[in-house]
Amino acid sequence: ETGVTQTPRHLVMGMTNKKSLKCEQHLGHNAMYWYKQSAKKPLELMFVYSLEERVENNSVPSRFSPECPNSSHLFLHLHTLQPEDSALYLCASSQAGGGEQYFGPGTRLTVT
Amino acid sequence: KQEVTQIPAALSVPEGENLVLNCSFTDSAIYNLQWFRQDPGKGLTSLLLIQSSQREQTSGRLNASLDKSSGRSTLYIAASQPGDSATYLCAVEGTGANNLFFGTGTRLTVIP
Repeated sequence: ETGVTQTPRHLVMGMTNKKSLKCEQHLGHNAMYWYKQSAKKPLELMFVYSLEERVENNSVPSRFSPECPNSSHLFLHLHTLQPEDSALYLCASSQAGGGEQYFGPGTRLTVT
Repeated sequence: KQEVTQIPAALSVPEGENLVLNCSFTDSAIYNLQWFRQDPGKGLTSLLLIQSSQREQTSGRLNASLDKSSGRSTLYIAASQPGDSATYLCAVEGTGANNLFFGTGTRLTVIP
């Protein structure tokens, strides 16, 4: 596979569930990002990993927990979410230090 | 905090017309500016990236300009086609790098 892939593409979960979103990049990048896209709002940066270290955490609630085991993989662990967390979650990658970001297709999350 | 505004929010044009999408940002200390395309329910596709030292970039029928001092960018689409219908997003990367700020997008419809 090429580019940035995300699984699952769609996820429906109850407020008491625990689930994980996965992102994988095949571009040789060393920085990865999680974004949240809600209806009628700009994309919000959630987390940034550069060289496998978390460098940005934009006041995201602790019910979202990122994990970056290596430069090609990024996870977002979800637990006890709220209905307002329903959104499109997008993963991106780039070279560390900034530059063009390449996005995955996203995971459409619905919290019931 | 950087704020990015895109006008108009939605635009409908007949096929074949040339059009301009606008983006403005409040902090001119940027590293680069990217234009993306997003199809409904999908991830983002990078169209053009302009470094802060550049004035414009071209790719096929697309031309993006950057006026950093006035905090503005435009995306010019020549000879529009129905396949150009999508939401176009503008994003600026701050000089701290790794922090991309997005506008809310312009939803373009090209009518055959």
